[in-house]
Amino acid sequence: ETGVTQTPRHLVMGMTNKKSLKCEQHLGHNAMYWYKQSAKKPLELMFVYSLEERVENNSVPSRFSPECPNSSHLFLHLHTLQPEDSALYLCASSQGGIYNEQFFGPGTRLTVL
Amino acid sequence: QKEVEQDPGPLSVPEGAIVSLNCTYSNSAFQYFMWYRQYSRKGPELLMYTYSSGNKEDGRFTAQVDKSSKYISLFIRDSQPSDSATYLCAMSTGSSNTGKLIFGQGTTLQVKP
Repeated sequence: ETGVTQTPRHLVMGMTNKKSLKCEQHLGHNAMYWYKQSAKKPLELMFVYSLEERVENNSVPSRFSPECPNSSHLFLHLHTLQPEDSALYLCASSQGGIYNEQFFGPGTRLTVL
Repeated sequence: QKEVEQDPGPLSVPEGAIVSLNCTYSNSAFQYFMWYRQYSRKGPELLMYTYSSGNKEDGRFTAQVDKSSKYISLFIRDSQPSDSATYLCAMSTGSSNTGKLIFGQGTTLQVKP
């Protein structure tokens, strides 16, 4: 595997389900990000982890719970989601620092029924 | 007012045309400017990166930054059907050690053979 991988690629869940999204980066980076991409809207930064520590949480509802067990893996735990949470969820990683190119995974297309 | 404004399009051009994509922004502290390209069902990938004002050229692509007008552009010469994608502008102040980026909405480009 190379770059940033995400699983699953597609997920359909009911509002009462609990599911998790997984991201893995094979680039040796030390910062990882979760973004939400909705139609006709800019990418929304949700969480940032730097050296496995959460350094940014952009007022995301508590039904989204991130976890970063090590510098290569990032999870997004989902529970009691709403239909408006349906979107493409993108994971990215970078070397960190003032500016570093962010490398994106292919995303998980989430549909909440 | 959004920090970054980008016309979502869609923009449709014939093959071989010169394409101009633009973003305006309101935060004068932005110093790092990027263009990402996103193909359907893929994550964004970095296309061009510019620091502060000026031009940068890479093959058929030219990025311009005019900080006095708070305006950035991406030009594509001799456009090809393979250039059909969504183009996202992104910016950073450089003040965050997490490399936080602010994205535009994205412009969808279709190049017709």
